[in-house]
Formats: sequence, C-alpha cells, structure tokens
Amino acid sequence: TQLLEQSPQFLSIQEGENLTVYCNSSSVFSSLQWYRQEPGEGPVLLVTVVTGGEVKKLKRLTFQFGDARKDSSLHITAAQPGDTGLYLCAYADGYSTLTFGKGTMLLVSP
Amino acid sequence: EAQVTQNPRYLITVTGKKLTVTCSQNMNHEYMSWYRQDPGLGLRQIYYSMNVEVTDKGDVPEGYKVSRKEKRNFPLILESPSPNQTSLYFCASRLTPDTQYFGPGTRLTVL
Repeated sequence: TQLLEQSPQFLSIQEGENLTVYCNSSSVFSSLQWYRQEPGEGPVLLVTVVTGGEVKKLKRLTFQFGDARKDSSLHITAAQPGDTGLYLCAYADGYSTLTFGKGTMLLVSP
Repeated sequence: EAQVTQNPRYLITVTGKKLTVTCSQNMNHEYMSWYRQDPGLGLRQIYYSMNVEVTDKGDVPEGYKVSRKEKRNFPLILESPSPNQTSLYFCASRLTPDTQYFGPGTRLTVL
C-alpha cells in the first residue's frame, strides 16, 4: 500500500485568508482525488486530478497535480467559514481499493 | 436523489452482542465498500464488493463480515463486537474509481 502524507494536520485561520494544503508521496499515481468531510457527515468528492501538472478550479478552490504525479495541492482563496472541514486526498488502486491520507482539518473562523 | 443510506446512524452496544449495520444505494452501482474512521488513523477500508456475491477483504477485515445478495444492499456484520471496534463507519458506492459516494456514517460504541 502506497502512503499518502497530508500537511498540515490542522489549520486554523480567519475568514478571508488564503491557504494551501498538501498531499505528498514517494510513489507515482495515475490519479488523485480530493474529498471534503464536514463534521457528522461522510466525505464528498471534490475533484479528481489525472494529468501531471494539471490544474483544476472549483470556485475558490484550486487543485494541482504535480508534474511527476507524486503530489498534489489544494489552494483556497479567501476562505469562508463554510470551508471548514476535513480535507482528504486519496488514490484508487486499480478498481478494488481506495486509500486515503489522514487529512488536513481546516477551521475557518468568522 | 442519488444517495447511500446507512442504518442505524448511532449505536451503543455491549461486547459480544451481534449487530448488523445496513447500507443501501439507489444508483445501481456495482462496487460498494465499507470503511472505518478513527482519530490519528484516518479512513481505512474494511471490505469491498465488486458485484453481487463478489466480496473481498480490505486493509482491516478482522472481526467483520459482509454479504452482497442484492446489488443495492451491502450490510456490515459484527458477529462478536469488541471495544476496539468502536469507530465511525462509512459505506460507499461508485460507478468508476473516479466517482465515489459515501453514506452519512454510523457511529458505533462497543462497551
């Protein structure tokens, strides 16, 4: 099983600030997924990045897949309290298993 | 509305008392899976099923059983629960590896 390391583990910021969270590995992935999990709910898929160097935008969220397909980042512009949650990256091992990083817990205060 | 449902959402039980957590999806997905989420350990896969009557172990299958008799249902069975199975459990289903829907979770406490 390939390891996904997410950093930071916890991030507490004020509304309006920008932030970046990271998902790193020593392995090469065919694709990586990003999820957000709000308290008391299941994870919700935000995006899948497939191509090395790919950048995808989802409103104020920008996802990037590293050129070597070993890492990914999520940048949030002008964070809002509604962005609070656990951000998880994951990779699919063929068609059978989905392996998650431990996540970054983001708290955005008004 | 496309969804994955789990029941119960909360359960407190005692060691050794058999229990079943149900999972159902309305998207006609062939693939379903179960995860547990624990502080400091993240989400770990327990079992998965590629189709009816086809199941396989994930990373942490010990102490759990599953069955897949119908495409829409994938129950998780704990024959003899122990305190180390206290956790937050999620069922999920998907059409392709790049699309996955999670249920709302079941918080289980084993005393």
